[in-house]
Amino acid sequence: DVKVTQSSRYLVKRTGEKVFLECVQDMDHENMFWYRQDPGLGLRLIYFSYDVKMKEKGDIPEGYSVSREKKERFSLILESASTNQTSMYLCASSLLGSGPNTGELFFGEGSRLTVL
Amino acid sequence: AQKITQTQPGMFVQEKEAVTLDCTYDTSDPSYGLFWYKQPSSGEMIFLIYQGSYDQQNATEGRYSLNFQKARKSANLVISASQLGDSAMYFCAMREGHEGRRALTFGSGTRLQVQP
Repeated sequence: DVKVTQSSRYLVKRTGEKVFLECVQDMDHENMFWYRQDPGLGLRLIYFSYDVKMKEKGDIPEGYSVSREKKERFSLILESASTNQTSMYLCASSLLGSGPNTGELFFGEGSRLTVL
Repeated sequence: AQKITQTQPGMFVQEKEAVTLDCTYDTSDPSYGLFWYKQPSSGEMIFLIYQGSYDQQNATEGRYSLNFQKARKSANLVISASQLGDSAMYFCAMREGHEGRRALTFGSGTRLQVQP
């Protein structure tokens, strides 16, 4: 069964802490994404990567960074967590290329982060 | 401007009735794809249906169909014969361009509640 796995379902951190959210996929997908989900705002793209060591900013990259050292792993880093980063974080992956359903995202279960 | 607009924050439907969830989109790219995802209270994102901009027929997947009106830039999801298990958040999303190297842009979602 193919999967996208996020390392933590629930995290509680303090303001100023460095936070790592890990995501691993076993589908050999080229693309990986980090979205943030907030009520009334839907999913907003933070960063994405279409290859190892490549990254591109999404709509709301401020306060975040990412790392992709291996194809299957994409990490989201909050250098200094703030209370406004309390949210649900969703990792996703997809195939590069064209064809039916091009761009279909496969999601992890989400990581709910609370920053106190 | 919003690229994906879902104007119904919440919807109620009686069990066994049909319901339409609205989605309008904005793009100048002639090649694009439209997706619907379901998010139950457990949090996972479930892919429901896809419509390509060049597809001649409206997409259908079981009880789900997509009412694609290209000139109006709308891609409404129709769920026939609603079931209690259909209660969830529903997100409309768009991929612009034909390449897989693109992120999806999501709407703010519609919460559907199916009543017995």
